[in-house]
Amino acid sequence: SQQGEEDPQALSIQEGENATMNCSYKTSINNLQWYRQNSGRGLVHLILIRSNEREKHSGRLRVTLDTSKKSSSLLITASRAADTASYFCATDPFDTDKLIFGTGTRLQVFP
Amino acid sequence: NAGVTQTPKFQVLKTGQSMTLQCAQDMNHNSMYWYRQDPGMGLRLIYYSASEGTTDKGEVPNGYNVSRLNKREFSLRLESAAPSQTSVYFCASSSRGFGQPQHFGDGTRLSIL
Repeated sequence: SQQGEEDPQALSIQEGENATMNCSYKTSINNLQWYRQNSGRGLVHLILIRSNEREKHSGRLRVTLDTSKKSSSLLITASRAADTASYFCATDPFDTDKLIFGTGTRLQVFP
Repeated sequence: NAGVTQTPKFQVLKTGQSMTLQCAQDMNHNSMYWYRQDPGMGLRLIYYSASEGTTDKGEVPNGYNVSRLNKREFSLRLESAAPSQTSVYFCASSSRGFGQPQHFGDGTRLSIL
């Protein structure tokens, strides 16, 4: 069963706008990771946030984690056409030895 | 700096044929994984190898076998391919275990007719 559910499933914005994607999960976690997948390519790790962290930044990426609501958000600021990709959250559940991926958000950034 | 290399990139098989997907990583990682990606279902873990010499089943292991040949290489074998195994297969590696970031290859696109 899927642990992470991303919302929205698809998002279209103009270059320069901010893009926000959300991830909800079901069980307690050790950490939550975000990945990007360009069309026809493998996933690329973007950022990892641990269960005791609330916010983390990496360049134009900002990730928040709310363990009480079992949710996370990924914010991409000042989007570029090159940010067009699918974005996946993945959770490392506390009580199992696996990484569970959500079904992803497809982001399209128009020039 | 290749990272994770998968071969082949594309393959078409007939039902009942067998084949082995190859994966190699050059990052000296201990853990390696095989996933399949189907539309609308995200990535599902087939098998993983936490360290050289060990392999374990994931969420969808039926119809597959794996071999951790050495620290660098982790192969996935379909003994008797079925149309339900049509998918994109990804190999990944991490330094140690599921809690670490995973590095992915570019996938093998497999069609079973």
